[in-house]
Amino acid sequence: GQQVMQIPQYQHVQEGEDFTTYCNSSTTLSNIQWYKQRPGGHPVFLIQLVKSGEVKKQKRLTFQFGEAKKNSSLHITATQTTDVGTYFCAGPSNSGYALNFGKGTSLLVTP
Amino acid sequence: NAGVTQTPKFQVLKTGQSMTLQCAQDMNHEYMSWYRQDPGMGLRLIHYSVGAGITDQGEVPNGYNVSRSTTEDFPLRLLSAAPSQTSVYFCASRPRLGSSYNEQFFGPGTRLTVL
Repeated sequence: GQQVMQIPQYQHVQEGEDFTTYCNSSTTLSNIQWYKQRPGGHPVFLIQLVKSGEVKKQKRLTFQFGEAKKNSSLHITATQTTDVGTYFCAGPSNSGYALNFGKGTSLLVTP
Repeated sequence: NAGVTQTPKFQVLKTGQSMTLQCAQDMNHEYMSWYRQDPGMGLRLIHYSVGAGITDQGEVPNGYNVSRSTTEDFPLRLLSAAPSQTSVYFCASRPRLGSSYNEQFFGPGTRLTVL
């Protein structure tokens, strides 16, 4: 199926530092979604991007969808300990009915 | 709404045993999926369904069977458990394509250990 690659695999920051995770696909995506999974929890939907070059913000989180719709990023400004978790991007599978997830970026924030 | 529910929360099996992981959703979603999550591997799609009576394979279907007799339920069967199937299993559901939003809702997961 269509694969989405995500980097970095891990990121350790001090509270207050910024954080960015990147998602790349070899093929054009019709849309991309981002999820957050807290330790011991289940993935929770954050946002969906559909348009080329789209930028959406949720408080300290900024999501971007590349002009070619092959890459995306999630940027967190001034991280807090509540941001700890694993962030996943997901694109449509070949069939379009299911989602293919990246391997995720695990964020650790130390006070 | 209860959302997506999964049972059991934890399970320990011996090699060769069979079992069924239950998944149900009360949001009338057409699409349902099963994923497994292993350290460093992210979420890998096992099987999915686009409606009652319709299922298809995902990335890692071997050793698993599914059926979808109703919109609400999507059980995952392990035919003969192997240690390689030790994992956390998530069921998910979402509205069909063409809906205004494609948010996927996940269940709380089943943590399976095969000895």
